Amino acid sequence: NAGVTQTPKFQVLKTGQSMTLQCAQDMNHNSMYWYRQDPGMGLRLIYYSASEGTTDKGEVPNGYNVSRLNKREFSLRLESAAPSQTSVYFCASSSSIAGGVTDTQYFGPGTRLTVL
Amino acid sequence: KNQVEQSPQSLIILEGKNCTLQCNYTVSPFSNLRWYKQDTGRGPVSLTIMTFSENTKSNGRYTATLDADTKQSSLHITASQLSDSASYICVVSAYQAGTALIFGKGTTLSVSS
Repeated sequence: NAGVTQTPKFQVLKTGQSMTLQCAQDMNHNSMYWYRQDPGMGLRLIYYSASEGTTDKGEVPNGYNVSRLNKREFSLRLESAAPSQTSVYFCASSSSIAGGVTDTQYFGPGTRLTVL
Repeated sequence: KNQVEQSPQSLIILEGKNCTLQCNYTVSPFSNLRWYKQDTGRGPVSLTIMTFSENTKSNGRYTATLDADTKQSSLHITASQLSDSASYICVVSAYQAGTALIFGKGTTLSVSS
């Protein structure tokens, strides 16, 4: 089992460029998440997908879009990158929504994005 | 406002020593509390998950405690190893529609030989 995989591992963009971060999980999980992690701050939720076919905004959704392509894959798109989006992006998955339940969230290795 | 505060921000200890990390939270309605370990350059990995009714849970040399009355948790690491050097993140989950995980900023632990 690979768990949660993310591509690319590193990316440098110029302001205004677009790109898509890819995430896939092989654990047959229903729920998937995108977080960003900035120095000195906790992980912040960008978007999540409770189940295939649904997506919802998290704490910091502005400037991002997501697609739950199928049960395995959840992509994050930056339409017009800005320097404020320089961050480390983590994808995660769990059996079900990790709110009132105790399902473990599994995280990918992260994508380090720099926007110049 | 739902918040999770961790202390200390960073900690340096000698290999073989014990240490305790603290987590205070103001999250309502409380569902469960998690501790994650995040190695440099990697994603977080779950160590323990505790519900309201649990006041202690162990995972090898890691022991987490929870006092739901005072809204405090601690993570105790016994006989530290160099591989324990990492960031330890406290995460509190609230009962609500959708997902509601509130992440602390983490404590950075450095274990030296």
